[in-house]
Amino acid sequence: GENVEQHPSTLSVQEGDSAVIKCTYSDSASNYFPWYKQELGKGPQLIIDIRSNVGEKKDQRIAVTLNKTAKHFSLHITETQPEDSAVYFCAASTQAGTALIFGKGTTLSVSS
Amino acid sequence: GAVVSQHPSRVICKSGTSVKIECRSLDFQATTMFWYRQFPKQSLMLMATSNEGSKATYEQGVEKDKFLINHASLTLSTLTVTSAHPEDSSFYICSAWAEETQYFGPGTRLLVL
Repeated sequence: GENVEQHPSTLSVQEGDSAVIKCTYSDSASNYFPWYKQELGKGPQLIIDIRSNVGEKKDQRIAVTLNKTAKHFSLHITETQPEDSAVYFCAASTQAGTALIFGKGTTLSVSS
Repeated sequence: GAVVSQHPSRVICKSGTSVKIECRSLDFQATTMFWYRQFPKQSLMLMATSNEGSKATYEQGVEKDKFLINHASLTLSTLTVTSAHPEDSSFYICSAWAEETQYFGPGTRLLVL
């Protein structure tokens, strides 16, 4: 089955710096790659996603890149703010309607 | 985006009792919903796939007789933790697909004393 690896497990940056989180997946059939932000005691919130027919997607300060050949995808957050502090999860699935397989998460801390 | 709700948000129960958690899709219909469990400082682990009108599909290692799932309508799936024990204490989260995106509920914190 699918296996998703996520790095780093923790990331500390200064406000205004960029943050990058990387994930790799094992199943070449995976074609949907979302990123979720989870705050303490809450459910995951989708922040951006990408599908295999796209190499990069951007939404304001957040961008995701996908390299299908290498089977890895990355989350980029620019101009980080304290409110970006949370746990971020990457995930993968082979098709819409199926379960997501999650990475182990990255705890991002943005200090002001 | 679509909204998934859960009830209750938190529950405390005594060991040996059963607890029911509801998951609802508020503005869309979901023939399939997913139940995840998350222990502190860990990732989400898929427990089971809930299918409307048919039996749930459980992941390896998840006891189907302990975690009863009922998907009685296109907007409601329930997870019942039977004979709960302290090791069942966890954060339970449901999700469903809408518009080719998977949306998660706010989670239910279960504490078994």
